[in-house]
Amino acid sequence: EIVLTQSPGTLSLSPGERATLSCRASQSVSSSYLGWYQQKPGQAPRLLIYGASSRATGIPDRFSGSGSGTDFTLTISRLEPEDFAVYYCQQYGSSSWTFGQGTRVEIK
Amino acid sequence: EVQLVQSGAEVKKPGESLKISCKGSAYSFSHYWIAWVRQMPGKGLEWMGIIYPGDSDTKYSPSFQGQVTISADKSINTAYLQWSSLKASDTAMYFCARGGYGAKFRYHLDYWGQGTLVTVSS
Repeated sequence: EIVLTQSPGTLSLSPGERATLSCRASQSVSSSYLGWYQQKPGQAPRLLIYGASSRATGIPDRFSGSGSGTDFTLTISRLEPEDFAVYYCQQYGSSSWTFGQGTRVEIK
Repeated sequence: EVQLVQSGAEVKKPGESLKISCKGSAYSFSHYWIAWVRQMPGKGLEWMGIIYPGDSDTKYSPSFQGQVTISADKSINTAYLQWSSLKASDTAMYFCARGGYGAKFRYHLDYWGQGTLVTVSS
């Protein structure tokens, strides 16, 4: 099973700042089958990025994804108040999918 | 608009059985994979397994194999997650989510249900 390790665990930033979230896989994720999800308290997760770098429908362009193989990054170029949430990466390239443990982006 | 509507919150005792549901609408339910995801209180997301309603092809996470059963009834556009004997450690929020079309098993989860809270306590 592929283990995804996200870092940092918590990111404390101010609105307008840039956020860089990392997701590292224990083995290569085939064909960049890597997604990023945002979850706010009391809500279901929402798809942000799929295929490592493609934005889902309706997602603002301040969100971008990059990476391949074992190292992936989610970047939020300028944090808006509504972006403070928990972010999860997920791989769906193997027969058993896995999520990272999450990165909390909090207001500094 | 694509929607996944899950059944309501449940409170059960250890050892009891339970089946929760996820009903899809506004898309061809039988042709898209449906995944189940667990979120224990204050914790992260865990992929439990996935089913293709068209032929009930099902894949489980090794962590959940034998612990739960995933099924679907394509005639009523509904997927299910069931337990035969609940434990206190099954207390969690459970989400269903739509995956890929047809043979596209390896696909992101683009629509999510609202979640079903299961509480198991004596």
